Amino acid sequence: LAKTTQPISMDSYEGQEVNITCSHNNIATNDYITWYQQFPSQGPRFIIQGYKTKVTNEVASLFIPADRKSSTLSLPRVSLSDTAVYYCLVGDPSNDYKLSFGAGTTVTVRA
Amino acid sequence: DARVTQTPRHKVTEMGQEVTMRCQPILGHNTVFWYRQTMMQGLELLAYFRNRAPLDDSGMPKDRFSAEMPDATLATLKIQPSEPRDSAVYFCASGPDRVIPSYNEQFFGPGTRLTVL
Repeated sequence: LAKTTQPISMDSYEGQEVNITCSHNNIATNDYITWYQQFPSQGPRFIIQGYKTKVTNEVASLFIPADRKSSTLSLPRVSLSDTAVYYCLVGDPSNDYKLSFGAGTTVTVRA
Repeated sequence: DARVTQTPRHKVTEMGQEVTMRCQPILGHNTVFWYRQTMMQGLELLAYFRNRAPLDDSGMPKDRFSAEMPDATLATLKIQPSEPRDSAVYFCASGPDRVIPSYNEQFFGPGTRLTVL
C-alpha cells in the first residue's frame, strides 16, 4: 500500500475554503486516491475518490495533478460541523481496496 | 437508510475475560472489515472477509483474537483472554459488490469502545 503524508492539523474559520494536500510519491498505476472524514466518536465516512484531474461532489473537490504524486482535498466554505479528521488513502480498488489509514489531518473550524 | 450496526457500543471488562463484538453489515454488501483505533496506533486493519470467507487476518494477534462470519448478516470479533492493551474502539465496515471496478467505498459502523481493566 502506498504511503501517504499529510499535515497533522489545520485551523480555519467558518466560511473559508480549506485545502488539504496529501503526498503519495510511490502511487502505483492502478491506485486510486480516496479521502475519508471522521467525526469524534464516529466511524470514518467516505468523502470522495479520484484517479486523475478533478473530481467534485456535493461535499468536496479533489484535485490530482498529472504526475499523481499528490492530491488536494478542497472543502468550500467550511462550517463548525466540518471539524473532523480527514484521511488520505491510496490503494487499488480491484484489491478489495484494503485501506491503510495514516494519522490524518485534524481540521478545526472556528467561529 | 442502510447502516452498519455494531453491538455493544460500549464494553468494560476485566483482564482475562472473553469479549465478543458483533457487527451487522449492510444487506447486500459482500466485504466486511474489522478495524481497531487507538490514540497511539490510529486505525489499524485487523481482518477482512469477502463473501463470508476470511481473506486476510494478518493484522490480528492470532493467539487471542478470532474473527468469523457465521452468516451474511453477522460478523463477530472475539478476544480471549482480553488484556488491558486491547482497550480501543473497534470498527466494523462493509463494502458493496463492485459494480464499477474502479470504485470501492467502505461504510463504517459506530464502533465498540472496549475498556479492559
